[in-house]
Amino acid sequence: TQLLEQSPQFLSIQEGENLTVYCNSSSVFSSLQWYRQEPGEGPVLLVTVVTGGEVKKLKRLTFQFGDARKDSSLHITAAQPGDTGLYLCAGADYGGSQGNLIFGKGTKLSVKP
Amino acid sequence: DAGVTQSPTHLIKTRGQQVTLRCSPISGHKSVSWYQQVLGQGPQFIFQYYEKEERGRGNFPDRFSARQFPNYSSELNVNALLLGDSALYLCASSWGSGLTNEKLFFGSGTQLSVL
Repeated sequence: TQLLEQSPQFLSIQEGENLTVYCNSSSVFSSLQWYRQEPGEGPVLLVTVVTGGEVKKLKRLTFQFGDARKDSSLHITAAQPGDTGLYLCAGADYGGSQGNLIFGKGTKLSVKP
Repeated sequence: DAGVTQSPTHLIKTRGQQVTLRCSPISGHKSVSWYQQVLGQGPQFIFQYYEKEERGRGNFPDRFSARQFPNYSSELNVNALLLGDSALYLCASSWGSGLTNEKLFFGSGTQLSVL
């Protein structure tokens, strides 16, 4: 059974601080996605990383896919209260469908003004 | 354009009852996936349908079933409800079958409470 372990589970920081969220697995994934979910809403896709070692930037967010395609990280620079939410990583199995994703348990981020 | 719409938004049932959840994908999207998200956990895959055919099934009991209609909308049925079925049920749609790196769009979900 493929698992994605996210850490930390909870993170409470002050506005302006930097943070990194990790997503690790013993399995190889064809691609890995990061989502943000607000309470009472569905997850919203932030980024998809496909190539081992790939780095993608989305404004203050930097995403990295590990060389071996087993892990990923999300780094937020100068966090803002609007970044508050549940961050989920999700992997697509080789030969599997993007509609069939394996999700981590998520990192609940709270950014205080 | 409307996003993925799910109905109802909230539902309260008692143990042993049956429930049907509905999902309308984004216009033009042919694939619908269902996920269960228990409080404090990430979503867990239940089913995927593409062009009205089942393309994937997660590790859920036979009490869970689904179907996709010619207009690509979908229903998820759960029979003989248990307390542990209480969760947010999410529907996601994509244009194709998902074998390429397609973007998945999620609805806001149906919050099911089983008493």
